[in-house]
Amino acid sequence: DTGVSQNPRHKITKRGQNVTFRCDPISEHNRLYWYRQTLGQGPEFLTYFQNEAQLEKSRLLSDRFSAERPKGSFSTLEIQRTEQGDSAMYLCASSAGALAKNIQYFGAGTRLSVL
Amino acid sequence: ILNVEQSPQSLHVQEGDSTNFTCSFPSSNFYALHWYRWETAKSPEALFVMTLNGDEKKKGRISATLNTKEGYSYLYIKGSQPEDSATYLCASRLTFGSGTQLTVLP
Repeated sequence: DTGVSQNPRHKITKRGQNVTFRCDPISEHNRLYWYRQTLGQGPEFLTYFQNEAQLEKSRLLSDRFSAERPKGSFSTLEIQRTEQGDSAMYLCASSAGALAKNIQYFGAGTRLSVL
Repeated sequence: ILNVEQSPQSLHVQEGDSTNFTCSFPSSNFYALHWYRWETAKSPEALFVMTLNGDEKKKGRISATLNTKEGYSYLYIKGSQPEDSATYLCASRLTFGSGTQLTVLP
């Protein structure tokens, strides 16, 4: 399968714990995006990378969230000291080229439940 | 922050009906508009990327139009089928609307 891969698919954690999600983009794609989606809403932008550089981060993103893409390939999203409000679907997408109009290919997401 | 809005929020139609949804977006500094289809338990899938005022794109029974001057796009589905049931999302730059959830009843 050469699509965008996200792991794990589901994560249940207790409030206060740290969690880390992984995204493997389509191999030749240089842009990688993270979104969060809650029930009844569309995906909400969190951050994106072009190669290994994190070019933009949502102002709504708490300092508890951090993302990396160390070699310009896979990316990780870490949430520290999780809160119940962090429960959501976390989506990763990738695209080729440097233009915002290029199609984004999405993974199936990681569903986080914070108890 | 861009404000992208979609209407209606949800829609139920009978198989064979044609239907359409609206996406509105700020017309200033327009760059591109994306339409996605998101079926339950699957990944969002790109339908169209539209960049030019007056653009009209078609994929099978689904088509979309774009008006960048007034800031709206329409998505049309002709002869809806149960397999068209999904949430249809539009996005401008990195901002998504809340989607239109379509249910096609057999």
